[in-house]
Amino acid sequence: AQSVTQPDIHITVSEGASLELRCNYSYGATPYLFWYVQSPGQGLQLLLKYFSGDTLVQGIKGFEAEFKRSQSSFNLRKPSVHWSDAAEYFCAVGARPGGSYIPTFGRGTSLIVHP
Amino acid sequence: DVKVTQSSRYLVKRTGEKVFLECVQDMDHENMFWYRQDPGLGLRLIYFSYDVKMKEKGDIPEGYSVSREKKERFSLILESASTNQTSMYLCASSSRTRLLNTEAFFGQGTRLTVV
Repeated sequence: AQSVTQPDIHITVSEGASLELRCNYSYGATPYLFWYVQSPGQGLQLLLKYFSGDTLVQGIKGFEAEFKRSQSSFNLRKPSVHWSDAAEYFCAVGARPGGSYIPTFGRGTSLIVHP
Repeated sequence: DVKVTQSSRYLVKRTGEKVFLECVQDMDHENMFWYRQDPGLGLRLIYFSYDVKMKEKGDIPEGYSVSREKKERFSLILESASTNQTSMYLCASSSRTRLLNTEAFFGQGTRLTVV
């Protein structure tokens, strides 16, 4: 069965600093990987996704993520964090039993941004 | 834009009541999901459906059932609500056939409190 580990429960950064959120996955085949963001009281919004090809993927809001098969990782990065980036971030891996992708989520990382 | 609509943002129900959470999507997606979100536990899959009248158990189906009579609508049913089912419930949908667009789209969530 697939699984996702987000080792950091909370991350605190200063506004303007760079950011990296870690994600490790476990899945036997080539994974489909996703990062979502959840603002307080809201549903989840897709930031970016990786299916195949270039291992560095660009997303919305200035985020990017790099797929590293050798490390089973899909870390999310942003070069300069804005106060509005404070939110909960979820990494997910899509498994495909029977043809439908079923996303399995990590426990999330809460990003706190100091002014 | 894909729209996934959950019928209620907030619900308060009494222990033992039968509770219905409704979800409607407007993108003709084959797959629909119900997740439960609790602090520190991330999103856990309750049930999913890949077609009308089809359903599959997720990781935590106990105490829940689902109904999918129409493609656009997926209902989560708490047969006899208990206090340990107090949580945020998130509905999502995704395409089964459009391989490059299989990410899940989420509703705004229903915060259910059982008293």
